[in-house]
Amino acid sequence: DVKVTQSSRYLVKRTGEKVFLECVQDMDHENMFWYRQDPGLGLRLIYFSYDVKMKEKGDIPEGYSVSREKKERFSLILESASTNQTSMYLCASTGQGNSPLHFGNGTRLTVT
Amino acid sequence: QKEVEQDPGPLSVPEGAIVSLNCTYSNSAFQYFMWYRQYSRKGPELLMYTYSSGNKEDGRFTAQVDKSSKYISLFIRDSQPSDSATYLCAMSPLTGTASKLTFGTGTRLQVTL
Repeated sequence: DVKVTQSSRYLVKRTGEKVFLECVQDMDHENMFWYRQDPGLGLRLIYFSYDVKMKEKGDIPEGYSVSREKKERFSLILESASTNQTSMYLCASTGQGNSPLHFGNGTRLTVT
Repeated sequence: QKEVEQDPGPLSVPEGAIVSLNCTYSNSAFQYFMWYRQYSRKGPELLMYTYSSGNKEDGRFTAQVDKSSKYISLFIRDSQPSDSATYLCAMSPLTGTASKLTFGTGTRLQVTL
């Protein structure tokens, strides 16, 4: 069974802090994704990666960066957290072809 | 106007009822249609996956796609309290390209005893 693990369930950070959200998957998936989920806006893709050290911008990359140094790990970085980045962050992974997205349980980030 | 519209609910039904969840969309290029279920404090999980128009059945769940009307539905028969969750529709123009998925905002369903 695929497992996508996000290191923190809840995080509270201050405006201007650098924030790291970590995600690990255990199924050797090539593709990994970061979404944010907000009421009334649904899931929006921030960044994705289809291979180690590769990254592509999603629909809302501004204010975020990512790192993928190992196949199983995909990190989302908020260089200088702002209050409008308060959200639920979901990591997902998928293999090649038609395999479905497998999501982690999310990190609820609050920026004060 | 959003590419994918979904009534946020909440939708409250008694146990045993037939539930109809719907999404409309505007992009005629969408070919692949999915329904995800998200329990509280959990990530979404894939429930149903269909290609193009038609119906697909899996146990108590039926997914229906009407491309001519740009309308998709998920029917749940004999609904159970364990079906209480948020249901997200998602769609894509291409297969195997999760980066092209567009999600609805989700409908919250509550099945009461």
